[in-house]
Amino acid sequence: LAKTTQPISMDSYEGQEVNITCSHNNIATNDYITWYQQFPSQGPRFIIQGYKTKVTNEVASLFIPADRKSSTLSLPRVSLSDTAVYYCLGGDSNYQLIWGAGTKLIIKP
Amino acid sequence: DSGVTQTPKHLITATGQRVTLRCSPRSGDLSVYWYQQSLDQGLQFLIQYYNGEERAKGNILERFSAQQFPDLHSELNLSSLELGDSALYFCASSPGQGKNSPLHFGNGTRLTVT
Repeated sequence: LAKTTQPISMDSYEGQEVNITCSHNNIATNDYITWYQQFPSQGPRFIIQGYKTKVTNEVASLFIPADRKSSTLSLPRVSLSDTAVYYCLGGDSNYQLIWGAGTKLIIKP
Repeated sequence: DSGVTQTPKHLITATGQRVTLRCSPRSGDLSVYWYQQSLDQGLQFLIQYYNGEERAKGNILERFSAQQFPDLHSELNLSSLELGDSALYFCASSPGQGKNSPLHFGNGTRLTVT
């Protein structure tokens, strides 16, 4: 089964750019990479999705190298409200979504 | 607001009991997913339905069952409850059935088994 690996936790400060990297060595050819954000006691929220190269939306950017074995979520100018758990997802061949432990991001004033 | 509605928000029950959790997907979404999240844990995929049919099964216990009705709402039934079943149960929906279709999550049902 495909598995993603990402840092357990990260700290940063308001106004900084935060990059969270995820490795997905066995991602299948037709799988996209998807990132979600989760606040305590809330359901995860879709942030961004991509297949390769770079994707940008109003919230974040996603960088995926040509080999697709990793991806980097970039959050520009973070604020305290960006403190959350961030999940990187790659599907597996059995149409299931494998959720790792996520990265707990703490933004400090 | 994701458009996914889960009821009830909180549920407290005793061991050995049976409960039913309900989910209404976003308008137009045909897939419904159920996830379990224990305290400070990641999400465990339980089961997926697409347009009324079971599509994929994850780590769902035999004591648990689910179904999706013709109006596309879904119910997750948990029986012979144990203390370890205490968790947040999330429902998510998506338009398609494929794993690349972004999910929209409800705010969950917090189940406490005493």
